[in-house]
Amino acid sequence: AQKVTQAQTEISVVEKEDVTLDCVYETRDTTYYLFWYKQPPSGELVFLIRRNSFDEQNEISGRYSWNFQKSTSSFNFTITASQVVDSAVYFCALSLPGRGGSEKLVFGKGMKLTVNP
Amino acid sequence: DGGITQSPKYLFRKEGQNVTLSCEQNLNHDAMYWYRQDPGQGLRLIYYSQIVNDFQKGDIAEGYSVSREKKESFPLTVTSAQKNPTAFYLCASSTRGPTGAATQYFGPGTRLTVL
Repeated sequence: AQKVTQAQTEISVVEKEDVTLDCVYETRDTTYYLFWYKQPPSGELVFLIRRNSFDEQNEISGRYSWNFQKSTSSFNFTITASQVVDSAVYFCALSLPGRGGSEKLVFGKGMKLTVNP
Repeated sequence: DGGITQSPKYLFRKEGQNVTLSCEQNLNHDAMYWYRQDPGQGLRLIYYSQIVNDFQKGDIAEGYSVSREKKESFPLTVTSAQKNPTAFYLCASSTRGPTGAATQYFGPGTRLTVL
């Protein structure tokens, strides 16, 4: 069975601090996909990044960076110089290849980030 | 503008009533999904559909029903058999990309409250 664990439930930081959101996953499959989504107070989930299991390159996109390490089954997300607009709930998720373009996502419980001015 | 729409945004239901939540997408995606989110919890899959006229149960399908008569539409009915229906409901859609992976994109959600 697949499982995603986000051990931190809530983090509060002051603007301009760096913050890292942890994600640990479990799967016996060798091919899988990892995701991060952001859920602002409006409720809609916003897709941030997808990573394939065979691509361990770290990625940076502006103030966001992701560290994927298969050896520790982790896919951590770092926000550099946080801003108030980063305040949201962040979800890590895992999926396995499925038929016809559909793949079931298994979500962690989410981590609420509050960035204070 | 391509995207996923859900209606209504807020829905109130009396106990014993069935209600239907709408989900429409104009992204030409093949697959569509319904998730339920409870406070402080992650999302749990209710039903998903890979193609028109086909759908499968997710992890918490009891008390829910769906239909997929058109590619663009995947309505969810919350029946009176669902014992604890108050939750936030999110619809998503996806299609397989060139790398073989599918990314799910979500609608704005419907917040259902049972009175």
